[in-house]
Amino acid sequence: GAVVSQHPSRVICKSGTSVKIECRSLDFQATTMFWYRQFPKQSLMLMATSNEGSKATYEQGVEKDKFLINHASLTLSTLTVTSAHPEDSSFYICSAREVGTGSSEQYFGPGTRLTVT
Amino acid sequence: GNSVTQMEGPVTLSEEAFLTINCTYTATGYPSLFWYVQYPGEGLQLLLKATKADDKGSNKGFEATYRKETTSFHLEKGSVQVSDSAVYFCALTSQAGTALIFGKGTTLSVSS
Repeated sequence: GAVVSQHPSRVICKSGTSVKIECRSLDFQATTMFWYRQFPKQSLMLMATSNEGSKATYEQGVEKDKFLINHASLTLSTLTVTSAHPEDSSFYICSAREVGTGSSEQYFGPGTRLTVT
Repeated sequence: GNSVTQMEGPVTLSEEAFLTINCTYTATGYPSLFWYVQYPGEGLQLLLKATKADDKGSNKGFEATYRKETTSFHLEKGSVQVSDSAVYFCALTSQAGTALIFGKGTTLSVSS
């Protein structure tokens, strides 16, 4: 089956620093990747839709200058949390949709736990 | 806008009990419906899906039927196991290629 990886799985950073999270589709190509944020005991909230070779589309209320998304290739999207603050601490999950299929199925990465101290 | 409402947990059951987790949705058009499962420490995995009315998705003993008349997609399993303990998310997508909209998740805990 299709596999999506995320790196790192956990990261702790100091307030004011930036953190980059990678999302890779390992055995398929993904035109579209999605970035979600999950708070403890809550659901996944879509942050942005990332399309290969174009600018990401951000959901209302998500600061595009704070959460920088780059989708430079069909197998890699990155999320950079800039000038991180403790309130950015969360579980970040990406998903990917395979190119060329009419399927609505998405494959999820295992998530990245970000803790900002 | 589109939304998903699922029953709040946690749901605590004994092994071999019957499971139902309710899910209702609001959407325009004809969404595709999904159940995802998140085991402790792992990412989301697709459990089952249905793409049109009256479709029944099934996997690993779980099943759910797409009911357009009641806008529901309830998850059921006849006999749960300890290994089914996880968080279950109901989700929809309004069209292929768009992001999923998730319910809040229901934690299931099964004891032996």
